[in-house]
Amino acid sequence: SQQGEEDPQALSIQEGENATMNCSYKTSINNLQWYRQNSGRGLVHLILIRSNEREKHSGRLRVTLDTSKKSSSLLITASRAADTASYFCATEPWGADGLTFGKGTHLIIQP
Amino acid sequence: GAVVSQHPSWVICKSGTSVKIECRSLDFQATTMFWYRQFPKQSLMLMATSNEGSKATYEQGVEKDKFLINHASLTLSTLTVTSAHPEDSSFYICSARDPGRNEQYFGPGTRLTVT
Repeated sequence: SQQGEEDPQALSIQEGENATMNCSYKTSINNLQWYRQNSGRGLVHLILIRSNEREKHSGRLRVTLDTSKKSSSLLITASRAADTASYFCATEPWGADGLTFGKGTHLIIQP
Repeated sequence: GAVVSQHPSWVICKSGTSVKIECRSLDFQATTMFWYRQFPKQSLMLMATSNEGSKATYEQGVEKDKFLINHASLTLSTLTVTSAHPEDSSFYICSARDPGRNEQYFGPGTRLTVT
């Protein structure tokens, strides 16, 4: 399965600032999901957005989806040091079950 | 949310030996489970799709004879890394699809180190 691209690959910002990560993918999808992974740990599911949705919110998270551009963004507002982690987008293509993960963005929040 | 467990959490084995990793869905029956592999500082790559009662479907480039998958029950799938080599050292993560919610839930992962 081909991976999508995420940018930036790494991002370092000050605590309190907003962090934006982008994800692009290649195939038609059923849904797109964002996950967080702390170093050496398992995945934490953040949010799922379906192909017929354009924007979704969950707490400090805001996800957008543009299926015409095959892209999504994850915005974390008022970042905290605990948000330091790697963030991955994952798409579920139509007709397939397994998820295709992007390469990830490593986010560092400086206190 | 639903819970998926993996056992063991980490394992160190010698080159040439085989290692079995278990993935269990604890509060739902999963007809489909997935196995992913993640090398250090890289993303997750789908290895195979495990269907209860039938043969697993492997992604291109994944050796089915090296990575044996058994999905004998609706709550358990196992991945056996046969004749492990140091290049098989990786983080192996499973997920299970809850057909009732039509969502996937990930296990905590198993870190394999082959010496």
